Amino acid sequence: ETGVTQTPRHLVMGMTNKKSLKCEQHLGHNAMYWYKQSAKKPLELMFVYSLEERVENNSVPSRFSPECPNSSHLFLHLHTLQPEDSALYLCASSQVLTLNTEAFFGQGTRLTVV
Amino acid sequence: EDQVTQSPEALRLQEGESSSLNCSYTVSGLRGLFWYRQDPGKGPEFLFTLYSAGEEKEKERLKATLTKKESFLHITAPKPEDSATYLCAVQTNYGGATNKLIFGTGTLLAVQP
Repeated sequence: ETGVTQTPRHLVMGMTNKKSLKCEQHLGHNAMYWYKQSAKKPLELMFVYSLEERVENNSVPSRFSPECPNSSHLFLHLHTLQPEDSALYLCASSQVLTLNTEAFFGQGTRLTVV
Repeated sequence: EDQVTQSPEALRLQEGESSSLNCSYTVSGLRGLFWYRQDPGKGPEFLFTLYSAGEEKEKERLKATLTKKESFLHITAPKPEDSATYLCAVQTNYGGATNKLIFGTGTLLAVQP
């Protein structure tokens, strides 16, 4: 148990569906992240919320929309996805402005778009 | 452009056969280098952070070292339970107080009994 919990663990959705991924961290961290992990590719940073500010990643399509209501919760809203969006979506948290800045990851949501 | 390259892509060892995994990096403004272990279907599990050249960290059968251009993860007398994908990541500044991790593609380690 890493202190970062993601739900659901698995999700199958059609291209016209709307769904949301949820992440909660119990580590008292002040930064949260969404990463995408596809086969044979490095983890790809999608979004960052740090000190309650959103840091954009301009290469992420608008069909992915993050929301961070407070420092412990992070959502990723999904809308009209494409089959190539199928991947493992990982949430992480870390502490910024400190010496120990390692990120801790949740178990991920395995997303399949059909 | 910031880049992390891991080698080999895959490594098969016999139980007890020691070896090393390599992570070479090109990055402006290194703020740390991280090693993670990832089991199939799970999120990465934090192992080590290294901040400066010459630094070493150890945990059970694993030892991580860092130079100005690369890091090594040494595995001594591995056991089958060490089988996993090992990920290397470098931390750089993303703007202001925010850091970001740039990951390599990982080394898939299989230890046979």
